[in-house]
Formats: sequence, structure tokens, C-alpha cells
Amino acid sequence: SQTIHQWPATLVQPVGSPLSLECTVEGTSNPNLYWYRQAAGRGLQLLFYSVGIGQISSEVPQNLSASRPQDRQFILSSKKLLLSDSGFYLCAYRTRGRPSNGYTFGSGTRLTVV
Amino acid sequence: DQQVKQNSPSLSVQEGRISILNCDYTNSMFDYFLWYKKYPAEGPTFLISISSIKDKNEDGRFTVFLNKSAKHLSLHIVPSQPGDSAVYFCAASKRSQGNLIFGKGTKLSVKP
Repeated sequence: SQTIHQWPATLVQPVGSPLSLECTVEGTSNPNLYWYRQAAGRGLQLLFYSVGIGQISSEVPQNLSASRPQDRQFILSSKKLLLSDSGFYLCAYRTRGRPSNGYTFGSGTRLTVV
Repeated sequence: DQQVKQNSPSLSVQEGRISILNCDYTNSMFDYFLWYKKYPAEGPTFLISISSIKDKNEDGRFTVFLNKSAKHLSLHIVPSQPGDSAVYFCAASKRSQGNLIFGKGTKLSVKP
């Protein structure tokens, strides 16, 4: 069966510290992978998506970056966190060739930058 | 510029009554629409979808209506239950691109 794992569930980091959030998918090959952020009053904002290993598209210019070192691994990073990076980060995948299925989301990471 | 709009941030409904959540979109290239349900501290879960070739799709207590000319869709929940209390996100995609564009969400509260 297809599953998606995202960790950690919660994270409190000081301003200026680095960030690494990891997401892995099981049960499917060559998925499209996505990072979303839910901030207060902003809904679900698409940050990055990837259609293959090493292929990253950025939707919103900002302090964050993403990488896909393996087919089913997606990493969200920052070298120096800002207060405005606080939010609920969600990883999602979509099985290739099946656009009508929408996305499957992970359980999310609540990031608080202090 | 928001392409998918949910203009009601919240909605309160009595248990057993109908809940109607609304969504508008601006991009006529969208041809697939979805509703997701999200509980606090969890990822959104897929609820129901509709293709632009249809104007209605029903799944149990949930029905989605699509009015292409008005670029409007709605989610009806009948009868509403307290467990339906959650944030509901409307989403749309263009088949050629596939990325989902989400609205800001509507928080539904179903009171016993």
C-alpha cells in the first residue's frame, strides 16, 4: 500500500538556525512530490514540487530550499530560519499518470521559530 | 492573485442540517476540482472530486456541484454531523500541469 511519512511532527527552532524536514513515500515509484505550508490566514501555499530526482521547481521565492536525493525522498531545508518561516509544513505526493487522484498528504510538521 | 477563493472563513451549522461550503475560481483552464478535509495538526485528506465534464458528483452524505459558467463549486453535506467539524479546502488543477491550487479553507463547526 502507498504511504507517506513526514517528520518531525513538531519543531521549535531559534531564529538563524538551520532546518531540515524529511518526507519519504512508500508503495509507489517516480511520484510527483510537493511541499506545502499552511500559515495563519494563508491557506495551503505550494512551496516546491518535484517530478523526478534532482528536479525541483520553486513556486514562491523565499528563505527555503528543497532537494530530492532519491526517488521517494523529499527534503525541505533552510540555512537560517526567519520568524516568518513558522507554520505547518505538509509534504504530499501524487502518483504519476493519475492526475485525477489529487494528492496524498503527510501528517505535517508544526514549525515554530522563536 | 488568488485563483481559488473560499470567501467564507468559517461556517456554523446545527447537527442534522445541511452544510454548504462554497468555492470560486478564476482560471478557466482548471478542469478538475477537489475538496479536502483537514483536522488540526493533521494533513488534509481527500474527500470528493469532480471533473469539468460533470456538474454533480455524489458520495454518501457529500455532494459537489460545479457551475462552469459561474466558475463556482459547492460542497453539500447532508445531514451534517459533529465529526464533520474541520477545515475544508477547495482545490483545482489543470490537467496539463497537475499541480493543485488550494483555497484558504473554510472552518466548519457542526453543533450538537
